[in-house]
Amino acid sequence: SAVISQKPSRDICQRGTSLTIQCQVDSQVTMMFWYRQQPGQSLTLIATANQGSEATYESGFVIDKFPISRPNLTFSTLTVSNMSPEDSSIYLCSVEDGRGFADTQYFGPGTRLTVL
Amino acid sequence: EDQVTQSPEALRLQEGESSSLNCSYTVSGLRGLFWYRQDPGKGPEFLFTLYSAGEEKEKERLKATLTKKESFLHITAPKPEDSATYLCAVQGSGNTGKLIFGQGTTLQVKP
Repeated sequence: SAVISQKPSRDICQRGTSLTIQCQVDSQVTMMFWYRQQPGQSLTLIATANQGSEATYESGFVIDKFPISRPNLTFSTLTVSNMSPEDSSIYLCSVEDGRGFADTQYFGPGTRLTVL
Repeated sequence: EDQVTQSPEALRLQEGESSSLNCSYTVSGLRGLFWYRQDPGKGPEFLFTLYSAGEEKEKERLKATLTKKESFLHITAPKPEDSATYLCAVQGSGNTGKLIFGQGTTLQVKP
């Protein structure tokens, strides 16, 4: 399976500021995903990021709030803009292994964000 | 609407006491059902993928099974290191790549 790293691992930010989270994969992958896990909750998909095209956002998530870049097949960034305490969550990136009908997704270690 | 419900929310077992976790799902055309393990402060760790009813997969003390409406994760003779939150997710035919997660079952195994 792919090895996925995220930076930063955690951060504490002031409301109104923005944070960019990086996701690096050790192999080329077509599809990358960004999820949010709010405190005590399960994972919710924010958007799907494919190289060379605009990210596809899920209902309730907008590009102005969560802009995503996907410059190549091994890297993506998610920015959390104009943060409020409600944005305090763990943000996770994942990739598909690309070998099956329903491709297994592997997750990075996550970025724990606290907004004061 | 695709939906996943896991039960129980929390489970406490004594070491060696076998049990099962349940994952009930509603999905339009199941492409796959996935089990993950998540330790506190970490990302989900992949355990199993199941594609069709009747399929079973095993790994050490864990065995996952699938029917048309639910999946079970059986834990045989658990050890304290099996303590974690176990997440179930489905991928439907209309949502390429998107995983719908349940709320998880938090398992605590006492020595």
